[in-house]
Amino acid sequence: SQQGEEDPQALSIQEGENATMNCSYKTSINNLQWYRQNSGRGLVHLILIRSNEREKHSGRLRVTLDTSKKSSSLLITASRAADTASYFCATDTFGNEKLTFGTGTRLTIIP
Amino acid sequence: NAGVTQTPKFRVLKTGQSMTLLCAQDMNHEYMYWYRQDPGMGLRLIHYSVGEGTTAKGEVPDGYNVSRLKKQNFLLGLESAAPSQTSVYFCASRYRGVLTFGSGTRLTVV
Repeated sequence: SQQGEEDPQALSIQEGENATMNCSYKTSINNLQWYRQNSGRGLVHLILIRSNEREKHSGRLRVTLDTSKKSSSLLITASRAADTASYFCATDTFGNEKLTFGTGTRLTIIP
Repeated sequence: NAGVTQTPKFRVLKTGQSMTLLCAQDMNHEYMYWYRQDPGMGLRLIHYSVGEGTTAKGEVPDGYNVSRLKKQNFLLGLESAAPSQTSVYFCASRYRGVLTFGSGTRLTVV
């Protein structure tokens, strides 16, 4: 079963706007990660946030983590056409080597 | 360039045929994974390995076998392919929690 569920399933915005997608998960986690997948390609790691962190930044990416609500959000600021892709959250739990993925958010940036 | 290489990239099988998907990484990572990706279902873990000579079942292991005889290689086998195994297969290696993915194998079983 999927540990993470992304919301929304699909999102279309104008270039230059900010994009926010959310991830909810079911059990306590060790780390939460976000990955990007361009059409027909493998996934690429974007950012990792640990369970004791609340917010993390990387370039135009901002990730927040609320362990009390078992949720995370990924914000992409000043979106570009190249940000068009599917975005997945992935979680792992303490002492577990498995990394479980959500179903993804498909982001389309309209030029 | 360092990374994860999957072969083949595309394959069409007839029901009942067997095949092996090869994954090779040159980053000396201990952990390796096989996932399948189907529309609307994200990635589901098939099998994984935490080191040379070890394998473990993931979420959807039935119909697949794996081997990790060498640290750099992780093989995924289908003994008797079924149409339900039509999917895109991704291999990944892991270091400090982060996965590095290959470019995938698109398998169609007819």
